[in-house]
Amino acid sequence: QVQLQESGPGLVKPSQTLSLTCTVSGGSISNGGYYWSWIRQHPGRGLEWIGYISYSGSTYYNPSLKSRITISADTSKNQFSLNLSSVTAADTAVYYCARGGDYDDPFDQWGQGTLATVSS
Amino acid sequence: QSVLTQPPSASGTPGQRVTISCSASSSNIGNNAVNWFQQLPGAAPKLLIFDNDQRPSGVPDRFSGSKSGTSASLAISGLQSEDEADYYCAAWDDRLNGWVFGGGTKLTVL
Repeated sequence: QVQLQESGPGLVKPSQTLSLTCTVSGGSISNGGYYWSWIRQHPGRGLEWIGYISYSGSTYYNPSLKSRITISADTSKNQFSLNLSSVTAADTAVYYCARGGDYDDPFDQWGQGTLATVSS
Repeated sequence: QSVLTQPPSASGTPGQRVTISCSASSSNIGNNAVNWFQQLPGAAPKLLIFDNDQRPSGVPDRFSGSKSGTSASLAISGLQSEDEADYYCAAWDDRLNGWVFGGGTKLTVL
């Protein structure tokens, strides 16, 4: 069974870049035809899909966040990462990494999530 | 405001059958499969139903999904105390070109 684990700083200053990494175990991110997504949940609120990177390295981002997002992968470490630039307090959320994300590819495995707080 | 509309809350007593609705438009539910997620308190979401009515391995058959037109439903039969959680629907939206989620339904087992 594949497992995902998020990591990254819990506190980021406004206008800086939030950088998070998801380490995948039990399966390769570059094999198997899977897509790998980032999803966030604002405190006490619903879920928002951020974007994905595919097994081949192609990316696709939520149009509402596209200008600030970069998702990349390090296949040697079996990790994929999220960079969210120019953060504000509105970006404070629990960030999840998950397997899945293509239009017909459900999010079937999730990490436990990591809280990122934007504050000076 | 979420693209997919869910009731904010639902409740039932143990053993009862409860349904949670999810509605939107032809650009998402009408054209694409609906997935449902269960989020227990303090935990990450878990895939409960995919492709409108399919259960992943390990999900009890007390949980079932259906879709008709631009609406979908999650039904939970034989309600148990451990079913108390938040439930979210999700679908790909062709107009927004991305995944959209419902606002979530908090299920309380009385």
